[in-house]
Amino acid sequence: AQTVTQSQPEMSVQEAETVTLSCTYDTSESDYYLFWYKQPPSRQMILVIRQEAYKQQNATENRFSVNFQKAAKSFSLKISDSQLGDAAMYFCALLLTNAGKSTFGDGTTLTVKP
Amino acid sequence: DTAVSQTPKYLVTQMGNDKSIKCEQNLGHDTMYWYKQDSKKFLKIMFSYNNKELIINETVPNRFSPKSPDKAHLNLHINSLELGDSAVYFCASSQPGNTEAFFGQGTRLTVV
Repeated sequence: AQTVTQSQPEMSVQEAETVTLSCTYDTSESDYYLFWYKQPPSRQMILVIRQEAYKQQNATENRFSVNFQKAAKSFSLKISDSQLGDAAMYFCALLLTNAGKSTFGDGTTLTVKP
Repeated sequence: DTAVSQTPKYLVTQMGNDKSIKCEQNLGHDTMYWYKQDSKKFLKIMFSYNNKELIINETVPNRFSPKSPDKAHLNLHINSLELGDSAVYFCASSQPGNTEAFFGQGTRLTVV
């Protein structure tokens, strides 16, 4: 069975600073995707970034980037130039291509201090 | 033109009642899901349907019965509601196996 672990229940960052959220996962499959989702107080789940396991290049979306270490099964999210609107709960998720379902980590609550 | 829409957004009901949550997606996706997010914000998959057929049932009590009349709809019916069913329920959809899930706005169910 696959697992996703987010070891930081809570993180805080000063506005305009950089923060890294950790995620590790475990699966015996080789074909999978990894995602970071953001859940602001509005409750809506919003996709932040995705990474295909077969790609070595780390995904980047504007101020959001990942550090994907496949051998170590690590998938951390870096948020640069943090903004107040980045405050939310962040979920790391693993999608096995063959199984067709996502497993989510327990989430990290990010606070951005002005 | 909401991609994945759930109704209602909020539902308060008494123990023992039966209730339904509706979900519709207009993305043309083949796969739809129900997730439960508990009071600790843990998000767990409950069901997955592909082209109206159940493909995943994650040890959810029989009181929960999903119904997919067509591949754009996946409704969740809950019988004999219990206090522990209080949670936020998310519907989501995706293309099979290779893309992210698009989530509805969630339904906050409170059982009193």
